[in-house]
Amino acid sequence: DAMVIQNPRYQVTQFGKPVTLSCSQTLNHNVMYWYQQKSSQAPKLLFHYYDKDFNNEADTPDNFQSRRPNTSFCFLDIRSPGLGDAAMYLCATSSNRDKHQETQYFGPGTRLLVL
Amino acid sequence: KQEVTQIPAALSVPEGENLVLNCSFTDSAIYNLQWFRQDPGKGLTSLLLIQSSQREQTSGRLNASLDKSSGRSTLYIAASQPGDSATYLCAGMNTGFQKLVFGTGTRLLVSP
Repeated sequence: DAMVIQNPRYQVTQFGKPVTLSCSQTLNHNVMYWYQQKSSQAPKLLFHYYDKDFNNEADTPDNFQSRRPNTSFCFLDIRSPGLGDAAMYLCATSSNRDKHQETQYFGPGTRLLVL
Repeated sequence: KQEVTQIPAALSVPEGENLVLNCSFTDSAIYNLQWFRQDPGKGLTSLLLIQSSQREQTSGRLNASLDKSSGRSTLYIAASQPGDSATYLCAGMNTGFQKLVFGTGTRLLVSP
């Protein structure tokens, strides 16, 4: 029954070593999002895909990139992780085919630790 | 720019109490407002979604209201249980696009 799946659940990487987080969905939703959530803070939107169209938030660092090879999968690439990038990364999906915003469904998150 | 605030930051109540969590937003041009639950170290679970044309939504022991004119939403939890212990986040979405702006949450502890 899992609808939004994130792998791995925990990721440890070294300072400066590229890392990729993955998200998949079984909902066939056309919109996918990546959020960063640091401890005791609100989730912060990094970017989203509306179908194949990539939309970057203005304050998202260049160090963060994303790929969406098909409807079901979306990846978050951190090119050179710094200590400040340690956080929970949340993937979410929603359907907006009729220009009517519906609930966003979140995955369980990937907790990233940078050593 | 939409800003969302939640008060209180933390709340501790004994089991069985009814309680209200508050959410304020600055931009009344809100398309919808969502309430989420987050357990420690976990993702977000959607509880209730209120469209701008609605004033409230109910699901079981939960009732959420939306007052656009005053920029406020409340989440009412009836007969609280220890299993309700979690962080509750509200998030507003403005017209134009699907960007959710989150509050920092209220951490709720319900003691037996």
